[in-house]
Amino acid sequence: GAVVSQHPSRVICKSGTSVKIECRSLDFQATTMFWYRQFPKQSLMLMATSNEGSKATYEQGVEKDKFLINHASLTLSTLTVTSAHPEDSSFYICSASTSGGAYEQYFGPGTRLTVT
Amino acid sequence: EDQVTQSPEALRLQEGESSSLNCSYTVSGLRGLFWYRQDPGKGPEFLFTLYSAGEEKEKERLKATLTKKESFLHITAPKPEDSATYLCAVIKAAGNKLTFGGGTRVLVKP
Repeated sequence: GAVVSQHPSRVICKSGTSVKIECRSLDFQATTMFWYRQFPKQSLMLMATSNEGSKATYEQGVEKDKFLINHASLTLSTLTVTSAHPEDSSFYICSASTSGGAYEQYFGPGTRLTVT
Repeated sequence: EDQVTQSPEALRLQEGESSSLNCSYTVSGLRGLFWYRQDPGKGPEFLFTLYSAGEEKEKERLKATLTKKESFLHITAPKPEDSATYLCAVIKAAGNKLTFGGGTRVLVKP
């Protein structure tokens, strides 16, 4: 149980274009989803927290107009990187948390974004 | 400020050579401490949650323990497939965000 998927697993896009990454909880309802970014050989950096039906809460220093997050249902959240630039190239990982007092986050497999 | 520090940064072990990873934390009220395993190019895989000092949890060759200031992840008789980065994270009281440590990269050689 507690499986989270991400799509796509890898994406290459040209500078200036936008790319959307999907995060789905497959066998549970996720009241809260989180988006992280990870640079090589570094730990995870939280970008934003989203609750179903609400606006996402962004961490300090994360541009909300550049990284658009939508959490339209209890099983789906999307991250759209708008007007991507090479410095946005990174490993993006989502996680999902259930309700009911448990605080474990279950992570997706990640999406490798390369902006050329 | 909440802080999570893991040591060592990297650990090279021979197969069968038991060892321990350390996660020390400073947080204003601990809601839970979490251990994850991460393989290269993949998302973290949940291992354990510990909620209170004195608590221990085991899974195969892994055992996690918790005190008021730190947690240990003991790897008993490791195998090459235990090679991975092990991440420690905490959630503080009245919060739901994970604060991660820098991770410990473990390499188990046959």
